[in-house]
Amino acid sequence: GQQVMQIPQYQHVQEGEDFTTYCNSSTTLSNIQWYKQRPGGHPVFLIQLVKSGEVKKQKRLTFQFGEAKKNSSLHITATQTTDVGTYFCAGLDAGGTSYGKLTFGQGTILTVHP
Amino acid sequence: DTAVSQTPKYLVTQMGNDKSIKCEQNLGHDTMYWYKQDSKKFLKIMFSYNNKELIINETVPNRFSPKSPDKAHLNLHINSLELGDSAVYFCASSQTGGLAPQHFGDGTRLSIL
Repeated sequence: GQQVMQIPQYQHVQEGEDFTTYCNSSTTLSNIQWYKQRPGGHPVFLIQLVKSGEVKKQKRLTFQFGEAKKNSSLHITATQTTDVGTYFCAGLDAGGTSYGKLTFGQGTILTVHP
Repeated sequence: DTAVSQTPKYLVTQMGNDKSIKCEQNLGHDTMYWYKQDSKKFLKIMFSYNNKELIINETVPNRFSPKSPDKAHLNLHINSLELGDSAVYFCASSQTGGLAPQHFGDGTRLSIL
């Protein structure tokens, strides 16, 4: 079955440093979604990428979707303590139906030291 | 106005008991889900319903039985609880399956004694 691998599992940074998490799927994806889960909270949708090579920005966050639609990345510039949390990617297998399951990556737990 | 609400927030119970978790969404979405998040934060889908019809049924023990009385509600009943069932269970909803953003409830933290 489809697998979505996300690295690194943990990332500790000093406030002001940059952070990147990477997501790789074993199959071609219809879309990739990114979620953030604060400690003790629930996953919150950040963004969806659909097109090959797509790049989207949200303030200090930059999201990319690979040309082959099998990988994606989230880059945070100049991290702040409010960026702390677990970042998940989730993708829908292009070979399945639109009501197929979103497969989540294992998540990257980000800690930011002030 | 909570979009996806699930109750209870915490559930502490003994092994062997039966318990239910309820979920309601007021977003008008067609698709609802149950996810299990273990201690390592891994999010695993359990079930998905679209307009009250079961769409996804992952490899979940048949002690877990979902029920969707209407498209705004999806409940989860668990029989004969085991230690390994301890986790956070999230309900979520989306407009059109996997192509739309998912909105998660606050989670139910289930602890088995």
